[in-house]
Amino acid sequence: QVQLVESGGGLVKPGGSLRLSCAASGFTFSDYFMSWIRQAPGKGLEWVSYMSNSGGAIYYVDSVRGRFTISRDNAKNSLYLQMSSLRAEDTALYYCARVSGNGAFDLWGHGTIVTVSS
Amino acid sequence: EIVLTQSPATLSLSPGERATLSCRASQSVRTNLAWYQQKPGQAPRLLIYDASDRATGIPARFSGSGSGTVFTLTISSLEPEDFGVYYCQQRTNWPPNSFTFGPGTKVEVK
Repeated sequence: QVQLVESGGGLVKPGGSLRLSCAASGFTFSDYFMSWIRQAPGKGLEWVSYMSNSGGAIYYVDSVRGRFTISRDNAKNSLYLQMSSLRAEDTALYYCARVSGNGAFDLWGHGTIVTVSS
Repeated sequence: EIVLTQSPATLSLSPGERATLSCRASQSVRTNLAWYQQKPGQAPRLLIYDASDRATGIPARFSGSGSGTVFTLTISSLEPEDFGVYYCQQRTNWPPNSFTFGPGTKVEVK
């Protein structure tokens, strides 16, 4: 079954850290660019970061650059997002998504919730 | 940074009616534009990529058009399951260095 399953979300205090994971199955993970996308409560979608299939290209949205680190382990079919110096505005549902060859997000997980609050 | 704007913010229609959603880019994105549908409590679903190509399994009532800075998603005849929020998304060159989503259009039952 082709799917993405996120984990690792939770409640964290401002300034804290959290590591999200995304387990991929049903497709050749190492063939695809992968991305993290978030959605704050009641708001729209915001692209956060992506990594090329080999890891040679990594990009972030300005608001998280220097605080978040994306990584992947192709042997484990997994994508990660290390988040540090978390702020209240990072509170969101974080989705893992596969990037198609056309630059669209063609497969999404169900998301994991991150809440930053004291 | 390329900014996407969507209009209208809300579209109130009845099942069977035609829905026309607009997405405008602050500068040309050629045809590097996709459309997604999101229903409450669900992850987004890809509908259209490359401005006009339907994703796998997407019904023919969904169609996309446009290039450059002006794009349209049309639902020819609304089915009950089509009500939700629709987002457009662009990418820069390939490999991309950023992606942007529009703010969304909510299609609600009139």
